[in-house]
Amino acid sequence: DSGVTQTPKHLITATGQRVTLRCSPRSGDLSVYWYQQSLDQGLQFLIHYYNGEERAKGNILERFSAQQFPDLHSELNLSSLELGDSALYFCASSVSDHDQPQHFGDGTRLSIL
Amino acid sequence: ILNVEQSPQSLHVQEGDSTNFTCSFPSSNFYALHWYRWETAKSPEALFVMTLNGDEKKKGRISATLNTKEGYSYLYIKGSQPEDSATYLCASPAGGKLTFGQGTILTVHP
Repeated sequence: DSGVTQTPKHLITATGQRVTLRCSPRSGDLSVYWYQQSLDQGLQFLIHYYNGEERAKGNILERFSAQQFPDLHSELNLSSLELGDSALYFCASSVSDHDQPQHFGDGTRLSIL
Repeated sequence: ILNVEQSPQSLHVQEGDSTNFTCSFPSSNFYALHWYRWETAKSPEALFVMTLNGDEKKKGRISATLNTKEGYSYLYIKGSQPEDSATYLCASPAGGKLTFGQGTILTVHP
């Protein structure tokens, strides 16, 4: 158990819809990272938050947004969903920055029908 | 090297064999190099974070070395066991984001 909690575990929805994925980091971790793993693709970095502030952005679509709240949990919002958004979305947390290991949640599997 | 690259892409070994694989990363402005193990149907698990040139880290039968000047890291597994079967990922931060290699898929046959 990594200590990182992601909900829901599975999500099935239709094109055009909007969903919110939630992540609770390990106790004491200030950084939260979001990744996307599509079929036959590696882990693609989406966004990094540190103590409530956005630190870095990857190839995140404009239809996607995220935030980290004062209690350090984070949400990833995906809107106007397309079939290609079907993927496994991971959240990871770390104590501070890239000199510390990241601890991954179990992921949310998003299926767009 | 602009990306993080890993080789080989996959590896099949027999139980008891020792094995190693390579991660190449951008050597300029080096900050850290991460290794993760990713078992099927699970999430990635951190093995090591290495920051110093010449660093060597060990965790049980798994060890890793780092050469920041030439931009490579080796991961070694001594006496492979079937439970070592997994995808091994390395990652390097660049531009504020952690970039992962495509991984080496290790299969250890009993």
